[in-house]
Amino acid sequence: DARVTQTPRHKVTEMGQEVTMRCQPILGHNTVFWYRQTMMQGLELLAYFRNRAPLDDSGMPKDRFSAEMPDATLATLKIQPSEPRDSAVYFCASGEGFYEQYFGPGTRLTVT
Amino acid sequence: AQTVTQSQPEMSVQEAETVTLSCTYDTSESDYYLFWYKQPPSRQMILVIRQEAYKQQNATENRFSVNFQKAAKSFSLKISDSQLGDAAMYFCAYRNVRNSNSGYALNFGKGTSLLVTP
Repeated sequence: DARVTQTPRHKVTEMGQEVTMRCQPILGHNTVFWYRQTMMQGLELLAYFRNRAPLDDSGMPKDRFSAEMPDATLATLKIQPSEPRDSAVYFCASGEGFYEQYFGPGTRLTVT
Repeated sequence: AQTVTQSQPEMSVQEAETVTLSCTYDTSESDYYLFWYKQPPSRQMILVIRQEAYKQQNATENRFSVNFQKAAKSFSLKISDSQLGDAAMYFCAYRNVRNSNSGYALNFGKGTSLLVTP
């Protein structure tokens, strides 16, 4: 049963620290999305890739967030430096083309 | 940007009964996709059902079906024979077919929390 995997599932860190979240998309999927879920904003897109190339990262605060796909099996989302307002659940989703998106279990980030 | 509105923050249904969750959206596009996702307490986002706007026939997946009213821009989800495992947050989502200012991102509603009582 193919699934999107994300690590870590939970992360607690202090303000100012670097946070790296990882995602392994479903094998064969060529689009990868990063979403953030908060109580106030709901689910919002941060960035997405097609064939490992970034197509849109307009949802990300550029000064502190970065997203990359070093290879087809790994997508990363980094926050440096982290701030308390970054506390949220971060989801990775992958798809074949741009039709359906299958979500990973999410990383719950708490920045104190 | 396209907006998705779920006007029911919470809904309750008894086991074995039927419940309908509402969703409306705003778009100027003629072709697009609509989805319902389920998010149980585990936080996993699970695709429940999808609908292509060009298809007039309403999508159905087992106990889940939609009522797609394109002119009214309405996309409701009907859950028949509700089960305890259906308790979750349900999100309606919209996606363009063609690239546009909003790209290929899913635009989500704020969600409806469904409680299933025995």
